[in-house]
Amino acid sequence: DGGITQSPKYLFRKEGQNVTLSCEQNLNHDAMYWYRQDPGQGLRLIYYSQIVNDFQKGDIAEGYSVSREKKESFPLTVTSAQKNPTAFYLCASSPQGGPTNYGYTFGSGTRLTVV
Amino acid sequence: ILNVEQSPQSLHVQEGDSTNFTCSFPSSNFYALHWYRWETAKSPEALFVMTLNGDEKKKGRISATLNTKEGYSYLYIKGSQPEDSATYLCAPHSGGGADGLTFGKGTHLIIQP
Repeated sequence: DGGITQSPKYLFRKEGQNVTLSCEQNLNHDAMYWYRQDPGQGLRLIYYSQIVNDFQKGDIAEGYSVSREKKESFPLTVTSAQKNPTAFYLCASSPQGGPTNYGYTFGSGTRLTVV
Repeated sequence: ILNVEQSPQSLHVQEGDSTNFTCSFPSSNFYALHWYRWETAKSPEALFVMTLNGDEKKKGRISATLNTKEGYSYLYIKGSQPEDSATYLCAPHSGGGADGLTFGKGTHLIIQP
């Protein structure tokens, strides 16, 4: 079945350490996205990529980095510069041209806890 | 960043009753409006993508309407069932393209047997 796989489901890290969240899709989608959810808030866009080797900052990119070396993969690194990294992270993808006609396909998320 | 408001924030509905909730968004530069259902421990699932003013879409017992001129959309659930319990998210898409959606905080719906 086609879909998006995020791993791991739960992740614990010590403060000051960088951590990378994995997102892989086998839908042949061109665009991929990272969102963050905090209690009482809507999903907020961190980074997105419309094509391989290209990505753009979203609304809350500070303290995060991404890469898009392969169409299937869009890993997110939470760096030590991110002040409040503990959150639930969702990855999504959409076909070429964006989510206009079909919407996003979402992964199941990674809950990151920094202690 | 778009200002997207969803109301109510949470809703308890008796099984079998019908219900509806609202998504408000800026009407300028409108391109599309998305509705998603997010059940606990699952991935958000796309329900509707709506683009035309006056558009109405239906999927089983769930339907949605769109008013792009005044900037709102309603989601209706007829004859609520326990499996309808979820958080319903709306996300307007301005300008088109693949530049990401802005999500509301959602309406958390609980269906009581």
